[in-house]
Amino acid sequence: QVQLVQSGAEVKETGDSVRVSCQASGYSFNSYAMHWVRQAPGQRLEWVGWVNTANGNTNYSPRLQGRVTITRDTSASTAYMELSTLRSEDTAVYYCARVGPIYYFDLWGQGTLVTVSS
Amino acid sequence: DIVMTQTPLSLSVTPGQPASISCKSSQSLLHSGSKTYLYWYLEKPGQPPQLLMYEISNRFSAVPDRFTGSGSGTDFTLKISRVEAEDVGVYYCMQSLQLPYTFGQGTKLEIK
Repeated sequence: QVQLVQSGAEVKETGDSVRVSCQASGYSFNSYAMHWVRQAPGQRLEWVGWVNTANGNTNYSPRLQGRVTITRDTSASTAYMELSTLRSEDTAVYYCARVGPIYYFDLWGQGTLVTVSS
Repeated sequence: DIVMTQTPLSLSVTPGQPASISCKSSQSLLHSGSKTYLYWYLEKPGQPPQLLMYEISNRFSAVPDRFTGSGSGTDFTLKISRVEAEDVGVYYCMQSLQLPYTFGQGTKLEIK
């Protein structure tokens, strides 16, 4: 069925990097952009960035620019979000979500909890 | 960045009664091409957010017709005509007019 399946929870230390994957199935991966959204405890949803799955172009939140990298592997129908130089405030559930020609975020991954401890 | 402000932040509603959530944006969400990029999502407990409404007032697939979206420019409202137990969760508005996309603080709906 149509779904996005993310990698499992991660526990990291301050200064580490983390990579979260998001595998798409049931639809044409290249036909939808892939975005990443995160939610820190008690905070609102925050847009992280996106990748054009057809050509690999990216755009990132200015707040995370320089620390976040989003890539994709079209042969595996998988998008990746890497966040470096982790801080405690990066502790959050990270979601991937697709954007198509009509709808924004009509399909979400199940979420990946990233915990950063000092 | 466009700031999205929701009110109230929490609601406690008796089943069968109506509920209303307001969302205001710091600038108009009307695009030159006439679309307004205002979306509503519901985050049910233990689940990722799910799309409810797109472009102000269009219900997404399988969303019950007790949900209605309205508004224009910078002021928007999501109404539930008769709240049911399955409607509990946190409701978010989001703008996708310009990057970075931004969300409201969320409105938590509880059942009395």
